[in-house]
Amino acid sequence: DVKVTQSSRYLVKRTGEKVFLECVQDMDHENMFWYRQDPGLGLRLIYFSYDVKMKEKGDIPEGYSVSREKKERFSLILESASTNQTSMYLCASCDSPSSGNTIYFGEGSWLTVV
Amino acid sequence: RKEVEQDPGPFNVPEGATVAFNCTYSNSASQSFFWYRQDCRKEPKLLMSVYSSGNEDGRFTAQLNRASQYISLLIRDSKLSDSATYLCVVRGGFNKFYFGSGTKLNVKP
Repeated sequence: DVKVTQSSRYLVKRTGEKVFLECVQDMDHENMFWYRQDPGLGLRLIYFSYDVKMKEKGDIPEGYSVSREKKERFSLILESASTNQTSMYLCASCDSPSSGNTIYFGEGSWLTVV
Repeated sequence: RKEVEQDPGPFNVPEGATVAFNCTYSNSASQSFFWYRQDCRKEPKLLMSVYSSGNEDGRFTAQLNRASQYISLLIRDSKLSDSATYLCVVRGGFNKFYFGSGTKLNVKP
């Protein structure tokens, strides 16, 4: 089974703090994603990466950055957390379309910024 | 216009009922289609892929209508454990996934 692991499940941070969310996948997938999910807004793409050291902005990249130094690991960074970044963050991975279509999600990280 | 649209529900049905959800997508070039299930405060999990010929997995049947650009999910003999939110997911281009906002299903005893 594909495993996408988000190391931090529940975090409470203060406004202005730097926040790191880590994600690791064990299926050698090329593509990794960070989404946030909010009630009424659904899943929104923050950033994705299609290879090591490669990243692309998604629909809502403002206030976030990412790092992909190894194929299996994709980190989301909030440089200066704000209350409007309180949300559930989902990491996901998938292979190239020719190798498999399905996207797999981690268990989610619940971030509260106070 | 959203790329993928779903009726948010909730659909409230009794145990044993048959219930169907539809999802429409806007990009005719979309490549792959899926239904995911999401429980409260959990991550979405793949329920089933949707193939052009239609496919069935136990009590669940998924259909794709490319001409009208919609996919459907039929659940027969609903169980209490089927209560969840069902997300329609469409894979467009290389790394593009589009998510519906989800349809909430409540199965009542």
